[in-house]
Amino acid sequence: EAGVAQSPRYKIIEKRQSVAFWCNPISGHATLYWYQQILGQGPKLLIQFQNNGVVDDSQLPKDRFSAERLKGVDSTLKIQPAKLEDSAVYLCASSRNVGNIQYFGAGTRLSVL
Amino acid sequence: SQQGEEDPQALSIQEGENATMNCSYKTSINNLQWYRQNSGRGLVHLILIRSNEREKHSGRLRVTLDTSKKSSSLLITASRAADTASYFCATPSTGNQFYFGTGTSLTVIP
Repeated sequence: EAGVAQSPRYKIIEKRQSVAFWCNPISGHATLYWYQQILGQGPKLLIQFQNNGVVDDSQLPKDRFSAERLKGVDSTLKIQPAKLEDSAVYLCASSRNVGNIQYFGAGTRLSVL
Repeated sequence: SQQGEEDPQALSIQEGENATMNCSYKTSINNLQWYRQNSGRGLVHLILIRSNEREKHSGRLRVTLDTSKKSSSLLITASRAADTASYFCATPSTGNQFYFGTGTSLTVIP
């Protein structure tokens, strides 16, 4: 089966600009996760979807980050406006259901200058 | 905040030796999962152990789980240079929030 697809792979923007990341999960996977991974740290969960509903967004900085999963398939994560501290790798993962094994995309490396 | 914590933070061993890394967590869990991350890549699932299991094997991997101590260990036997990576434990809580630890960076010297 095809894996989790993410785009773009790399993005460089200036602070205060906007950026969007896209994720296409494995077909049939109900749960989708967005993580932020700062260099040298573990992935930090930003938001978790179950189909097109939000299960957990407690660590999402809602003043600048937003995410949606229309029709319970693809998802986009947006940052507006970006700050220097948002420089990180943004990982998308999906699983058949909550608590199951997660399959990760290759990630999007964001640099905010 | 992340609830899983691995130790050591970094581990360097010779090829052929065994590598042991530990994970501690805070809340009740349904299962505990270990993942590997090679530099610049996404995470790859290694092994899942359920809360009612105490030990599980998969190839050169052995995982133990002690729910009374809220801890788990991952043993990699007969390590290879290709095992060089960061290793993370992940704990889906009974509330279904999913947390990763800070990771152990393993270097296997050929």
